[in-house]
Amino acid sequence: QVQLKESGPGLVQPSQTLSLTCTVSGLSLTSNSVSWIRQPPGKGLEWMGVIWSNGGTDYNSAIKSRLSISRDTSKSQVFLKMNSLQTEDTAMYFCARTIDYPGIPYYFDYWGQGVMVTVSS
Amino acid sequence: DIVMTQTPSSQAVSAGEKVTMSCKSSQSLLYNENKKNYLAWYQQKPGQSPKLLIYWASTRESGVPDRFIGSGSGTDFTLTISSVQAEDLAVYYCQQYYNFPLTFGSGTKLEIK
Repeated sequence: QVQLKESGPGLVQPSQTLSLTCTVSGLSLTSNSVSWIRQPPGKGLEWMGVIWSNGGTDYNSAIKSRLSISRDTSKSQVFLKMNSLQTEDTAMYFCARTIDYPGIPYYFDYWGQGVMVTVSS
Repeated sequence: DIVMTQTPSSQAVSAGEKVTMSCKSSQSLLYNENKKNYLAWYQQKPGQSPKLLIYWASTRESGVPDRFIGSGSGTDFTLTISSVQAEDLAVYYCQQYYNFPLTFGSGTKLEIK
């Protein structure tokens, strides 16, 4: 049974760095890709980036300069780090298993429950 | 970036009725090499994460009821629910995977009268 679960701080100060963890079970990170997707309150979905099964990454160009995605395959964990947070980064952050063709992300078939992050002083 | 436009933004229907919602892309999502449309549909119920309903524009994900039907090609796509049930109350999103970055529509909120 595939499961993904996000964790991290609920509150981050403006200009600080956000660190989130996605812990997966029921799948191997060496043969599956995982994306981060966020959703501001009451708004739509934004794809942030993906870590491929080979450990490579691709990011949304809109936030690429602030974002880093990494993983620890031994712990079945994927990490998101985003710096210089602003109030507009307040959102629910999801990780999701990404169906892909090598180097091309397609769609998301398993999602975590999400973690709400509020950027505020 | 490919812009995905969904209409209507919300609609209310009675249980048992048929409902259709539209998703239009700013460029074609049809890849001529394999004749596939790079489009997915998701359902997000209140307080939940999105759930994959349809991929390749018309392929139903395993376990999704057959009342959910995806259709369309190129830039114009439709999600039809043939007979709406009370549990279909949700926001429905389309998503393109033809180009980086992957982008979503703004959603259609389905309300049950």
